[in-house]
Amino acid sequence: SQTIHQWPATLVQPVGSPLSLECTVEGTSNPNLYWYRQAAGRGLQLLFYSVGIGQISSEVPQNLSASRPQDRQFILSSKKLLLSDSGFYLCARDRGSDYGYTFGSGTRLTVV
Amino acid sequence: AQSVTQPDIHITVSEGASLELRCNYSYGATPYLFWYVQSPGQGLQLLLKYFSGDTLVQGIKGFEAEFKRSQSSFNLRKPSVHWSDAGEYFCAVYYGGSQGNLIFGKGTKLSVKP
Repeated sequence: SQTIHQWPATLVQPVGSPLSLECTVEGTSNPNLYWYRQAAGRGLQLLFYSVGIGQISSEVPQNLSASRPQDRQFILSSKKLLLSDSGFYLCARDRGSDYGYTFGSGTRLTVV
Repeated sequence: AQSVTQPDIHITVSEGASLELRCNYSYGATPYLFWYVQSPGQGLQLLLKYFSGDTLVQGIKGFEAEFKRSQSSFNLRKPSVHWSDAGEYFCAVYYGGSQGNLIFGKGTKLSVKP
């Protein structure tokens, strides 16, 4: 199984508050993991990817950070949310020799 | 640089009508190509993929796609659309590298009229 668990499904947070979104994956060990953000009309924007524990690469400078404390855990965080952080956040893992990705069901974040 | 273009932002078709969603890619080597669908408020689901061999690939839910190297295209088709096919469709190309990244197009939103 390559299931991905993301929570929460929906989140409403005030501007300036912290954020922590968690993603855990099943399946083969040492997967590549990804955080994407999807804003209205802007497609999928790759935010971070990780090829192993403690290894994080950032694709876009921003108000967010990511961590990978365990092989199958990927966390997206912010110390102080901005209105522009609103969007739909998706976690994904690679499928190994299958080359594609498996996606989680996403978190809808609204910053108010 | 690698890129994926989906020229249609929004398409509306009647239920039972045929569908074709366009995808063009820019990639120097033989591409690995994918189509994903996203239902409203959900994650992305893999519809089909092309790695090599037969250029017409079959996927789930009655979808198919044809790889045309000469046109750098990988268009998605379905002969008869169902209301449940409404959603956003993403074309993607795998360009390898240690991080195994996919590049996604910006998506085409499909609406289905009853």
